[in-house]
Amino acid sequence: NAGVTQTPKFRVLKTGQSMTLLCAQDMNHEYMYWYRQDPGMGLRLIHYSVGEGTTAKGEVPDGYNVSRLKKQNFLLGLESAAPSQTSVYFCASRYSGYGYTFGSGTRLTVV
Amino acid sequence: AQKITQTQPGMFVQEKEAVTLDCTYDTSDPSYGLFWYKQPSSGEMIFLIYQGSYDQQNATEGRYSLNFQKARKSANLVISASQLGDSAMYFCAMREVGNEKLTFGTGTRLTIIP
Repeated sequence: NAGVTQTPKFRVLKTGQSMTLLCAQDMNHEYMYWYRQDPGMGLRLIHYSVGEGTTAKGEVPDGYNVSRLKKQNFLLGLESAAPSQTSVYFCASRYSGYGYTFGSGTRLTVV
Repeated sequence: AQKITQTQPGMFVQEKEAVTLDCTYDTSDPSYGLFWYKQPSSGEMIFLIYQGSYDQQNATEGRYSLNFQKARKSANLVISASQLGDSAMYFCAMREVGNEKLTFGTGTRLTIIP
């Protein structure tokens, strides 16, 4: 049982480059989320999805786009990376009720 | 708007002692859930315990218990008989029912001293 898998685990980008972070879950969860974690701060919600084909903005959506074409996958895109997007990114999913399952994180550095 | 406050940036506790990590929250919604997560140095987020706003009893999970004081909007985590492996960052979080946003506090770094 893999749970929530994030790829890649580490990435270094140059300012202006684009990339996509992949989150995959094998638990048939309806809800999926992307968070970012910065030093001295808790996790902040970027975007989320309440089901296949749906997406919605969270607390800090600017500079990011997402897609949920398949129920098990939630993609986070950076079209033109900026140093302010240097962070650790976490994906999470839940079925219903309260149980959130987090991935192990992606450490992204934009230089 | 939901808000979580953790006022202890860091704590040092002797091994085998109990430790209380503070968490206060703010919400105008009567239906909400409170969570505690552990983040070890390896970085993953580990779910510890959950308390619903309508739960009559304080939640417990093994050595973890949640001291829920609704009137004071307080949800402190108590770890009994601390172990070296408890050294980590601990985050309190809250979600209002019907709101998909899980709001986190800034965390407390707990260090267990042998």
